[in-house]
Order: sequence, then structure tokens, then C-alpha cells
Amino acid sequence: DTGVSQDPRHKITKRGQNVTFRCDPISEHNRLYWYRQTLGQGPEFLTYFQNEAQLEKSRLLSDRFSAERPKGSFSTLEIQRTEQGDSAMYLCASSLWGADGYTFGSGTRLTVV
Amino acid sequence: KNEVEQSPQNLTAQEGEFITINCSYSVGISALHWLQQHPGGGIVSLFMLSSGKKKHGRLIATINIQEKHSSLHITASHPRDSAVYICAALLDSNYQLIWGAGTKLIIKP
Repeated sequence: DTGVSQDPRHKITKRGQNVTFRCDPISEHNRLYWYRQTLGQGPEFLTYFQNEAQLEKSRLLSDRFSAERPKGSFSTLEIQRTEQGDSAMYLCASSLWGADGYTFGSGTRLTVV
Repeated sequence: KNEVEQSPQNLTAQEGEFITINCSYSVGISALHWLQQHPGGGIVSLFMLSSGKKKHGRLIATINIQEKHSSLHITASHPRDSAVYICAALLDSNYQLIWGAGTKLIIKP
């Protein structure tokens, strides 16, 4: 296992288009987290899953954002009708029962033009 | 008041100097993370600690649970240590990470 993988690394999209990102956590990790980091700011929590259940969502996650983890393994984050303000680095992390082995992916950098 | 505060925000030092970055938190935590982020790069976890002290190479992290304070030290600093260092508190309630604002470190040769 090579850690947490995120795909794609970079995504450029036109305003109004939908985008989907994928995160593959470390295989035995049951918790998966999504964060967003805008330029010059620290990462902000978006949502997290324990297995396939989405346990918490930040108020930052508007109706245009949806995250899934259908089989408790990989997760997808979809943004519908993208806006320029969605341009950011989207980070995924996974852990085993909360604290153990908290590991980050390299992120997906989204640019909305 | 932010739940996780770091100081200093910016730090410039000469190669070889001993570096200290401080982190204070006001929430109940199960662990504290020190992370490193290079410009345009991903986030790398340096340490996760819940008590005492950890050392990895030239990096040392300490935490005082009673005082809710942690420090990251870099000995014999090198220009390649230049990065943003982030302290993040892992909440004991739901294991979310609350991030500090980061310390931008520049080591000059």
C-alpha cells in the first residue's frame, strides 16, 4: 500500500461544469476525511466518513458539493456547477479509528476558469 | 480566539540556527499533529503525538498536555527546511483536525 492516493492531481474546468475527485485511502483505514485549502489559508474541514457512513458535514459544504464512500473504501467528492470560488486544493486523509496513522493524500488542485 | 494558535507566523533564520515553532490549543484533543507543506506541494505529516516528546532526525516535537502547548524544534536548520509548518489538533470528540494558521519558515544559506 503506497498511502492515500488522490486523482486527478490537477483539474482545470470552466465555470458551471461539474467535477468529481477520487480518493483511495490506505486499505485498512476506516475513516476518511475531506479538506479544502484555498491559497494562503489553512485547510478547512469539509466532511468525514466512518466506513460508508458520512458522519459529519461542514456548513462550508453547500448543496453543490456531495461526497460518497459507497463501499467504505474509496471516496468521491463531486462539485456541481463550479464557481471560481471553488478553486482550491482538495485534500483527502484517512485514519484507523480516529488517530492511528492519520495520513494525507497529495491533494487535487482545482482551478475554475 | 482561534482554537489552535501558532507562533510565529513568519520566521526567517540563517542556516544552522536552532528553530522553535510554538502551538497552543484550547480544545480537548486526542493527539496533536505537526505537518509540513512546501509551496505548491502536498501536506506531509511529521509527527503525531499525545504526550512527551518525539524525535526524527533533526526534528523534535514536544507536547505538554496540562499546559495545552506543543513545540516543534529544528536543529542545525538547512535551506531545504524552508516550508510552512502547521500544527493541527485532533479533536477527542470526533477526530476532526483543527488547523493552526501555519508558520512560514525561511532558512537562508
